[in-house]
Amino acid sequence: GQQVMQIPQYQHVQEGEDFTTYCNSSTTLSNIQWYKQRPGGHPVFLIQLVKSGEVKKQKRLTFQFGEAKKNSSLHITATQTTDVGTYFCADTGGGNKLTFGTGTQLKVEL
Amino acid sequence: NAGVMQNPRHLVRRRGQEARLRCSPVKGHSHVYWYRQLPEEGLKFMVYLQKENIIDESGMPKERFSAEFPKEGPSILRIQQVVRGDSAAYFCASSRALDRGYGYTFGSGTRLTVV
Repeated sequence: GQQVMQIPQYQHVQEGEDFTTYCNSSTTLSNIQWYKQRPGGHPVFLIQLVKSGEVKKQKRLTFQFGEAKKNSSLHITATQTTDVGTYFCADTGGGNKLTFGTGTQLKVEL
Repeated sequence: NAGVMQNPRHLVRRRGQEARLRCSPVKGHSHVYWYRQLPEEGLKFMVYLQKENIIDESGMPKERFSAEFPKEGPSILRIQQVVRGDSAAYFCASSRALDRGYGYTFGSGTRLTVV
């Protein structure tokens, strides 16, 4: 079955540093969604990317979809302690069932 | 507009007992999904349902696990004869059709502990 891998698995940064997580698939992705899960919480939908090469921004977060639609990235500029959590990408597979990536756990230290 | 309601939040069961997890989707959402998450791990798809129909149950173990989404009432994930390996967080999510840019709305999850 399809596998969606994310790297890195863990990332520790100092507050104010940038952070990037990468989402890669062996097969072409349909639409990519991104979610954030705070420690002890549930995943929360952030955004969906649809088009090849698409870039979307939400304040300090920049989401990008690769030209070949086989990868995506989430970049956070100047991290804050409120950014702590696990970030998941997910492929819609062209339907309604999401296949989630393995996740990147972000820790931000003061 | 209330979010996805899951109950109970925490459930403790002895080995061999049954666990029943409930999920009420967001009003207006016709798609319901169940995912399982082990500590420090990702979200594993279990089942996708619409009212009175199982659309995709490819992630559900063939034995002991079942799910339903009746015409009236919440979706239920049922685990019979629980074993220690069933201990996990079970998340329910609901959505409209994703092709219009909607994402999933997740519930707070049920943390199942089998003792």
